[in-house]
Amino acid sequence: DTGVSQDPRHKITKRGQNVTFRCDPISEHNRLYWYRQTLGQGPEFLTYFQNEAQLEKSRLLSDRFSAERPKGSFSTLEIQRTEQGDSAMYLCASSLLFPGVDTGELFFGEGSRLTVL
Amino acid sequence: QKEVEQNSGPLSVPEGAIASLNCTYSDRGSQSFFWYRQYSGKSPELIMSIYSNGDKEDGRFTAQLNKASQYVSLLIRDSQPSDSATYLCAVIYTGGGNKLTFGTGTQLKVEL
Repeated sequence: DTGVSQDPRHKITKRGQNVTFRCDPISEHNRLYWYRQTLGQGPEFLTYFQNEAQLEKSRLLSDRFSAERPKGSFSTLEIQRTEQGDSAMYLCASSLLFPGVDTGELFFGEGSRLTVL
Repeated sequence: QKEVEQNSGPLSVPEGAIASLNCTYSDRGSQSFFWYRQYSGKSPELIMSIYSNGDKEDGRFTAQLNKASQYVSLLIRDSQPSDSATYLCAVIYTGGGNKLTFGTGTQLKVEL
């Protein structure tokens, strides 16, 4: 069990550029979540997948944000035309859902910190 | 808007004391509650989960849940400097699709 890994750990970009983050969940986990966290705030839900299906997307998420999990394993989060307000830590988490048993316990990666200049 | 409320702190306690962290939530039907610890610059890590009214103990940590009052707390006994971190309360709301809704966190400082 290597844990949840995220790449890159840090990204500095200029406003208007596109960025993509990758998340590799714990291998047997079927649920994958993306959260965003800014300084002094708790993580804010963005979207989540069960296997390859995107089950929910936050209403706060603009159309510039898109996430995929094409084979039910790793996931990518792309932000198009970045804005300074997108600067945050982007956290990926995974969990395992058994039929009828879902503790809701999430295991987080170390995060990808985005700075938009 | 379903909310999770925490006092942002900082909460300062002397080493060896009991630290008490509190959290309230808005959805009466919520069933699952979690406490995460987050060190500065690091990602959240799960400390405790609790699903039923009452107390749940794990080592120096005790989670307390009172669904009637919509209140969750975390007690840390024999506080150590290494406990200094931000503690995040998280709730899974009914019909929430199993996603966690987090509070803003309480910063705990354990002083020597």
